[in-house]
Amino acid sequence: KQEVTQIPAALSVPEGENLVLNCSFTDSAIYNLQWFRQDPGKGLTSLLLIQSSQREQTSGRLNASLDKSSGRSTLYIAASQPGDSATYLCAVRRSRGSTLGRLYFGRGTQLTVWP
Amino acid sequence: SAVISQKPSRDICQRGTSLTIQCQVDSQVTMMFWYRQQPGQSLTLIATANQGSEATYESGFVIDKFPISRPNLTFSTLTVSNMSPEDSSIYLCSVTYPSETQYFGPGTRLLVL
Repeated sequence: KQEVTQIPAALSVPEGENLVLNCSFTDSAIYNLQWFRQDPGKGLTSLLLIQSSQREQTSGRLNASLDKSSGRSTLYIAASQPGDSATYLCAVRRSRGSTLGRLYFGRGTQLTVWP
Repeated sequence: SAVISQKPSRDICQRGTSLTIQCQVDSQVTMMFWYRQQPGQSLTLIATANQGSEATYESGFVIDKFPISRPNLTFSTLTVSNMSPEDSSIYLCSVTYPSETQYFGPGTRLLVL
C-alpha cells in the first residue's frame, strides 16, 4: 500500500523567507505527483503536477521537484508572503493496481507566514 | 481547468438522518470521485462514480451507507445515510481532467450532532 508522508507537519516563518516542504512516498511506481493548497474550511487548489518522467515543475514562486527512485518530492516556495499561509498537501497517483483517479495523500504541512 | 460546484457548502444534521450532496462539473467527464476529509486528517477516497454503472467503493466504505448516483457526465450525488457524529467531515467531489490533473470541488462541510 502506498503511504505518503509530509514533513514538517507545521511551519511558521516570517515573510520573505524561502521555504522547502518535503513529501516522501513508499512505492516508487507512481504515475504522477501533485501538490495542492488547502485554505481553512475550503477545497483543494492544484498547484503543480509532475509526471513520473519529469524532474521538476515551476509556477511563479513555486518549484516542485521529483526524485522517483528515492520516493521524494519537495515544494520550494520563494520569497514567502502572508497569503501563502495554508495547508499544503502532496498526493501521488500509482501507475499500477489502482483506479486512475485514486490519489494517496499525505497529511499536509500547515504553513503560517507572518508579516 | 475544471470548474466544480457542490451543494450544500455546509450543513448541520441530526444523528440518524441522511444528507445528499450534489456535485456539478462544467464539462463532461468519465469518472467522478468522492473523497472524505475527517477533522485533522488527510483525504480518503470513498468511491469512484462512472456514468451508467454502479459506483466502485474503496475498502471501508459501503453502498448502503454512501449511495452514489451518476445520472449523466456532468453530475453526481453522494448521500451520507443514517448519520452519526463520526460522519462529521468535509466531503469533496473530484474529477481528473485531460492533463491528468486532479481537480476538487469546494467541499461540503458536514457536522452531525
